[in-house]
Amino acid sequence: DAKTTHPPSMDCAEGRAANLPCNHSTISGNEYVYWYRQIHSQGPQYIIHGLKNNETNEMASLIITEDRKSSTLILPHATLRDTAVYYCIVRADTGNQFYFGTGTSLTVIP
Amino acid sequence: AAGVIQSPRHLIKEKRETATLKCYPIPRHDTVYWYQQGPGQDPQFLISFYEKMQSDKGSIPDRFSAQQFSDYHSELNMSSLELGDSALYFCASSLPGFHYEQYFGPGTRLTVT
Repeated sequence: DAKTTHPPSMDCAEGRAANLPCNHSTISGNEYVYWYRQIHSQGPQYIIHGLKNNETNEMASLIITEDRKSSTLILPHATLRDTAVYYCIVRADTGNQFYFGTGTSLTVIP
Repeated sequence: AAGVIQSPRHLIKEKRETATLKCYPIPRHDTVYWYQQGPGQDPQFLISFYEKMQSDKGSIPDRFSAQQFSDYHSELNMSSLELGDSALYFCASSLPGFHYEQYFGPGTRLTVT
């Protein structure tokens, strides 16, 4: 599976947009980008995923660059409850497992 | 909406004992995954099942085994427990196919003393 890199920690003011970057420069054409988050020892929570096109759902938006080597997760109006560790995962079509790697710890500040 | 159910939520065992963790997937999900998360670590994939057959294997110790039953629930059996097995164990389920998201349960916290 392609490796992902992202900043170990970020802060965001409450009510502002949180933009979480992720680099996946070795991604191949059939690999999807997934975002999950984990709030203090709870089960990881699915946020969004995409292949090539930008995606939006009720939680977030996913912007994938045209060359697919990086992506950004956008939480449009961060709240204190969005404080969590966010994982960017690239998933191959040859396996079912997710390799979580080291996430980005997002702290939303009042 | 129905979620993944795991039992028990907490389990305390002594070294060299055995433990069985159970996972009940979301209805109509026939793929189940197990992950282990040690203290301060990221989740690590252990094993997955699709239609009652093992589909992928990760860093699962030989002391551990798992299976999926005809009702799609899964059990993770852990023998000769070691202190290092103390961790959160998450089960996830999904529809079949690599492009479907996995939904995680609340986890079982196993403490080995």
